[in-house]
Order: sequence, then structure tokens, then C-alpha cells
Amino acid sequence: GAVVSQHPSRVICKSGTSVKIECRSLDFQATTMFWYRQFPKQSLMLMATSNEGSKATYEQGVEKDKFLINHASLTLSTLTVTSAHPEDSSFYICSARVKRERTDTQYFGPGTRLTVL
Amino acid sequence: DAKTTQPPSMDCAEGRAANLPCNHSTISGNEYVYWYRQIHSQGPQYIIHGLKNNETNEMASLIITEDRKSSTLILPHATLRDTAVYYCIVNRRSNSGYALNFGKGTSLLVTP
Repeated sequence: GAVVSQHPSRVICKSGTSVKIECRSLDFQATTMFWYRQFPKQSLMLMATSNEGSKATYEQGVEKDKFLINHASLTLSTLTVTSAHPEDSSFYICSARVKRERTDTQYFGPGTRLTVL
Repeated sequence: DAKTTQPPSMDCAEGRAANLPCNHSTISGNEYVYWYRQIHSQGPQYIIHGLKNNETNEMASLIITEDRKSSTLILPHATLRDTAVYYCIVNRRSNSGYALNFGKGTSLLVTP
């Protein structure tokens, strides 16, 4: 399967600061990447869809000015949590889409654990 | 969006086959069934997907009923490392392609 990496794997920051999370497709080019968030004991929730060279598409209820997404190349998408608050503490996971003939497959990164103090 | 229903938890003895059921009675004709699993504090891992034919790969087998309203993921010889939450997902098209709508999944515990 395709390999997706995330950096950092874990970050602790103070309230009010911004945090950038990187998502890279290591052995393939990904025109589309997705960002998910997972709170403890809950399932993954899609936050936004990131397309290379264009603006991200956010899911309902996700603040685009707070969660800035940049997909400047075919192998890198970044998520910046601006002015982070304790309620933003969560497990952030990205995935990259591999296009197939009739359907797509998503491969996920290992996740980034964000703790806001 | 087509919804899926899975049992919240299952147990399986090590070495035995684990059969994880999934109900997706509202699935549309062009929607695929995907299976992922998530080991604690890791990103989900792709297992297998299918449309209407049964599928097999090195990880598992996917059996889809003829009416496509349900499916079963089979791990032929479960090991302790297969303990994870297993998600059955029917893909949906978002604004920019197929997004995955994760439900609560089935927590599989493989016991010695």
C-alpha cells in the first residue's frame, strides 16, 4: 500500500499559539488529501478535503479560518491550527487519495496528537 | 449517504477465523464497501474493498451478499495483533472525490 507520513507525531502547545501539521505522500503523488479529527473514544470526523493547487473544501461546522489548509504540492498538505485552545486538543489524521480505475482508495498517516495547555 | 451498521464489539480466539459483519441495506449501485481498521492511537489501515464480487488479499477476505445489503470481513487466522477497531464504510462522493464516513466500527478483541 501507499505510504503517508505526518509530522510531528505529537505536539504540546500553549493556548493562543498556532500549530502546523504536515502530511506527506511518500511514494506517490496525491492530488487530493483529507484531514480528519478524532476525539477520545470517538470515531474519525472528516474536517476538510484538500486539493493540490486550490482551496480546501471544509465540512459543515469546521471553521476554515481556524484550520488553515495548504496543499501546495502533489506530495504535501499542511494543516495549521490557529490560535489553538484546549478544546482543539485532539488526534489529527490525514489521508491521501490514490485514484483507481473505478474507485479510490485512501491511505492514512499515523496521526498527530495535539495537546493544547 | 448509505449508512452501515456493525456490532460494537466481538471476541475471537487467536488462530481462529474472525468474521466481522456489516449491514449496509441502503447502499447504492455504484457505492463500494471499504474496510479499514485502527489500532489504538494509530491512523486507520486500509484492509480491502469491493463492489459486488467477493474479494481476497493478503490481509483478509470480503464477502458481499448478492443483494449487496450486507458484507462480512474475514480474517482467516486471527492473531493478537489483529486486535483493533474495524470500520465498514460505504464511500460517498464529497465535493472533491470520495470521502470516507467513519461510523463507530466493531472493536475486535483477539484473545490468547
